[in-house]
Amino acid sequence: SQKIEQNSEALNIQEGKTATLTCNYTNYSPAYLQWYRQDPGRGPVFLLLIRENEKEKRKERLKVTFDTTLKQSLFHITASQPADSATYLCAHTSGTYKYIFGTGTRLKVLA
Amino acid sequence: DTAVSQTPKYLVTQMGNDKSIKCEQNLGHDTMYWYKQDSKKFLKIMFSYNNKELIINETVPNRFSPKSPDKAHLNLHINSLELGDSAVYFCASSQDLGRDGEQYFGPGTRLTVT
Repeated sequence: SQKIEQNSEALNIQEGKTATLTCNYTNYSPAYLQWYRQDPGRGPVFLLLIRENEKEKRKERLKVTFDTTLKQSLFHITASQPADSATYLCAHTSGTYKYIFGTGTRLKVLA
Repeated sequence: DTAVSQTPKYLVTQMGNDKSIKCEQNLGHDTMYWYKQDSKKFLKIMFSYNNKELIINETVPNRFSPKSPDKAHLNLHINSLELGDSAVYFCASSQDLGRDGEQYFGPGTRLTVT
């Protein structure tokens, strides 16, 4: 079955450093990967989408990479701030239009 | 303006009861979804509708019945509630069924079954 896994359940990082979150997938090759942010008590908010033919995508301080050989996507937040503290979810859509979400990584940026 | 809204935000009820959660989107999207997020924060799709037509029914017990009266609304009715139904339920929408479409989530409904 298709699986998408986020390696770290939690990640603490010092303010100003770059946070790197990992998303790995097995048993398939998704055409797209999405990243969402979820704050406590709120619904996920879309951040970025990357296609399989794109190696990298950027948006302000965010960068996503997609390595189809390693079956992995990395999500980077540069110059991290305490306001970046949240849970980050990766997701992909299977061939049946079903979105599959990873387990999420809870990021805490320490001031 | 709220893009995707859900009511109620909190729902506390006893086992065996029947309850409904309502969802509305004002984005003009064709596709709507229901997700369940359990205590471990795992977000799992339950249903998706496109233009009021059921597209995905992800092996959800038939005690759960979604209803889409029009493209802007997708309600979730749950019969004979069980303890294991306690979770946060999220409604979401996307432009269409395209697999690269971003989803817009509602604020969630926290259901507690006692």
